[in-house]
Amino acid sequence: DQQVKQNSPSLSVQEGRISILNCDYTNSMFDYFLWYKKYPAEGPTFLISISSIKDKNEDGRFTVFLNKSAKHLSLHIVPSQPGDSAVYFCAASNFGGATNKLIFGTGTLLAVQP
Amino acid sequence: DAGITQSPRHKVTETGTPVTLRCHQTENHRYMYWYRQDPGHGLRLIHYSYGVKDTDKGEVSDGYSVSRSKTEDFLLTLESATSSQTSVYFCAISEPLSRGGGPEAFFGQGTRLTVV
Repeated sequence: DQQVKQNSPSLSVQEGRISILNCDYTNSMFDYFLWYKKYPAEGPTFLISISSIKDKNEDGRFTVFLNKSAKHLSLHIVPSQPGDSAVYFCAASNFGGATNKLIFGTGTLLAVQP
Repeated sequence: DAGITQSPRHKVTETGTPVTLRCHQTENHRYMYWYRQDPGHGLRLIHYSYGVKDTDKGEVSDGYSVSRSKTEDFLLTLESATSSQTSVYFCAISEPLSRGGGPEAFFGQGTRLTVV
């Protein structure tokens, strides 16, 4: 039973345009949602997070939107740059719980075309 | 970058042999995790530790064991490696809310393990 789902394995956008990556979850106990970026042969790096009590969090070119009623979140990258080309993982956690375990989605490969 | 070192970075081993992967951190974080990354599966939690000598199973723990005798080291052992354990393994660390931590975990560079 996959609790965090990323239904788009890949996405291609033009440089300068908006990239929108989507994520769905099933467990209503999650209280934090995170996005990670991963380049080949490197470990995942934390990008941005959002608490379940908020519906938007912005950090520079990156904005995460949370729709709790739909159990859906999205990451917007504006403007997209070639260096943003990577695999993006959505993750969720019960941060107030005992161990901060992160549950990850399967990832979306973003290709930003120059 | 968080001070996390995984060793070895690459390993090829034969089916049936034991293998131990090491994760070393210099951040004094309480929580440590082992994940594996496979195509179509994302990152899946194998085992985690919430303190010295305190460990628990994740979602794909069969065939793996862990040990944590010191805060800084978390070992993952494949008792008898199988081809299905060919994967990229990532160690991660985080701090609990009670110690001022955030929701994010910090990952090492990964170990690519091939079982032939």
